[in-house]
Amino acid sequence: IQMTQSPSSLSASVGDRVTITCRASQDIGSTLVWYQEKPGKVPKVLIYTASTLQAGVPSRFSGSGSATYFTLTISSLQPEDVATYYCQQHKTDVRTFGQGTHVEIK
Amino acid sequence: EVQLVESGGDLVQPGGSLRLSCTVSGFTVSNNHMSWVRQAPGKGLEWVSVIYAGGNTHYIDSVKGRFTISRDNSKNTLYLQMNNLRAEDTAVYYCAKDLGRFDPWGQGTLVTVSS
Repeated sequence: IQMTQSPSSLSASVGDRVTITCRASQDIGSTLVWYQEKPGKVPKVLIYTASTLQAGVPSRFSGSGSATYFTLTISSLQPEDVATYYCQQHKTDVRTFGQGTHVEIK
Repeated sequence: EVQLVESGGDLVQPGGSLRLSCTVSGFTVSNNHMSWVRQAPGKGLEWVSVIYAGGNTHYIDSVKGRFTISRDNSKNTLYLQMNNLRAEDTAVYYCAKDLGRFDPWGQGTLVTVSS
């Protein structure tokens, strides 16, 4: 299953609403995870089962979608959100990641 | 405290072999699904292999026949035996508990394949 994220990078202002999309090449139900990776750090789970917020993750992060179309939304972008974001499916035994979306502050 | 510590990364020539280890504390490896994920320099994340609690294993196509995932229950350790290494295998390799989502992760170990 191929996972395609868009955009590959974005620049937005502090306080902006930011949306990243992830499309699956076939129906994956809700088996979709979003990660945040900051430079030099290990990736961190933000959202799992497409829309469940991981404990400790700020509520400005939210996920939605099912089947082949998913979104990660940051309701109000903060400076500490500068990172690369990845989606990942686990519908199949062979897990796959999207190519990543780099988010920076304008 | 849950901790995963990878080791075994090194500089190796093309065609060479390496065995990575992931020593786990805080939970039992054999009772959980465990995966290896890698990240080439400046690139994205790529899942490599999983070993299920029941023992079944799966691999990404590019490493099938060259990499073997295994575990030692007595040492609570996960392994990745990597043979016939190629330049494109150069990456930081992470082990992670596989709940479908990968959580937690180790800190990673760097494998460099170069002559």
